[in-house]
Amino acid sequence: GESVGLHLPTLSVQEGDNSIINCAYSNSASDYFIWYKQESGKGPQFIIDIRSNMDKRQGQRVTVLLNKTVKHLSLQIAATQPGDSAVYFCAENIDQAGTALIFGKGTTLSVSS
Amino acid sequence: SAVISQKPSRDICQRGTSLTIQCQVDSQVTMMFWYRQQPGQSLTLIATANQGSEATYESGFVIDKFPISRPNLTFSTLTVSNMSPEDSSIYLCSVETRSYGYTFGSGTRLTVV
Repeated sequence: GESVGLHLPTLSVQEGDNSIINCAYSNSASDYFIWYKQESGKGPQFIIDIRSNMDKRQGQRVTVLLNKTVKHLSLQIAATQPGDSAVYFCAENIDQAGTALIFGKGTTLSVSS
Repeated sequence: SAVISQKPSRDICQRGTSLTIQCQVDSQVTMMFWYRQQPGQSLTLIATANQGSEATYESGFVIDKFPISRPNLTFSTLTVSNMSPEDSSIYLCSVETRSYGYTFGSGTRLTVV
């Protein structure tokens, strides 16, 4: 079924600002979460993932926060750049081999110089 | 990451016809996943294809409309049958590998006229 509801469909920020993109998931059994970036004409590209035994994970300029109590996931992008402009999706699944990802609705991030 | 070659990248088709989309992976994978992304929307899982068995379809998708083949561990096809304008979407294949997690093809942009 369709998961993930609460989100802003678009987010506009200035270059250099920090961006926060939110996602809510509905399946309490989900234990693996991924953020994807999708640019126009391309397939989704992996950004960062997190498993349910963690509440925070950091990558290069990106941080994912997981709040299992309220079933909420966020992606923070530090010092946002024009190249970060894209649609961002969260995806979830039960961390078992062979299970498909279920995607949220997506947020369009626009970064202006 | 696993390299996925998806063909065609785009097509414009007449209603009532069928289109077969090919997905080739550079490594052997057990499961391949097919998604549909309608204009301005998120990705919706169509089916999961396991080599040597019939694909498993999600609610709202049926084999007669979206037949899938999975002849070996590196290749799959999705056919969109008897197309109507409502089938205009991006169709994406995805694989899961132990080393690289979930990877997506660049998609097939289908327009039905």
